[in-house]
Amino acid sequence: SQTIHQWPATLVQPVGSPLSLECTVEGTSNPNLYWYRQAAGRGLQLLFYSIGIDQISSEVPQNLSASRPQDRQFILSSKKLLLSDSGFYLCAWRDNPGQYNEQFFGPGTRLTVL
Amino acid sequence: DQQVKQNSPSLSVQEGRISILNCDYTNSMFDYFLWYKKYPAEGPTFLISISSIKDKNEDGRFTVFLNKSAKHLSLHIVPSQPGDSAVYFCAADTNAGKSTFGDGTTLTVKP
Repeated sequence: SQTIHQWPATLVQPVGSPLSLECTVEGTSNPNLYWYRQAAGRGLQLLFYSIGIDQISSEVPQNLSASRPQDRQFILSSKKLLLSDSGFYLCAWRDNPGQYNEQFFGPGTRLTVL
Repeated sequence: DQQVKQNSPSLSVQEGRISILNCDYTNSMFDYFLWYKKYPAEGPTFLISISSIKDKNEDGRFTVFLNKSAKHLSLHIVPSQPGDSAVYFCAADTNAGKSTFGDGTTLTVKP
């Protein structure tokens, strides 16, 4: 069966510090991978999605970046965090081709930037 | 411009009654619609979906209705149970494999 892991579960970082969130998927190959952010009381905002290794599309211009160094590994990074980066970050995968099927979400990372 | 809207931030119903959650969309290119359920501090989990070629899909207590002409879909939960209390997200897909989510509706089912 497929599983998706995200870490860390919670993170408190000062403004201006770097960020690295990691997501790995097991039990599937060549998945579509996604990073979302949920701000307080809001829906899921798509940040990045990837259809393959080193193939990443950015949905929202910001100070975040994403990388996919391996087929089932997706990393969200920032060189300098802003207060507005606080939120609940979710990684998700779906079968490729990624249409007409559901996404599977990880447990999420709660990021607080102070 | 928000392409998927859930206009009711919250809904409260009595156990055993029907819960109806609504979702409106504006992009006519959306052709697949999904509902996800989310508990606090967890990732969403898939609940039910519907293709644009259908107007109804049923799975146990959950039924999704799609009205393409009105660009409206709804999720019916019958009968509602306290364990159904969660945030429900509507999502809409194009064939590009990306989902656009609404802001969610918090459902509270009272015993």
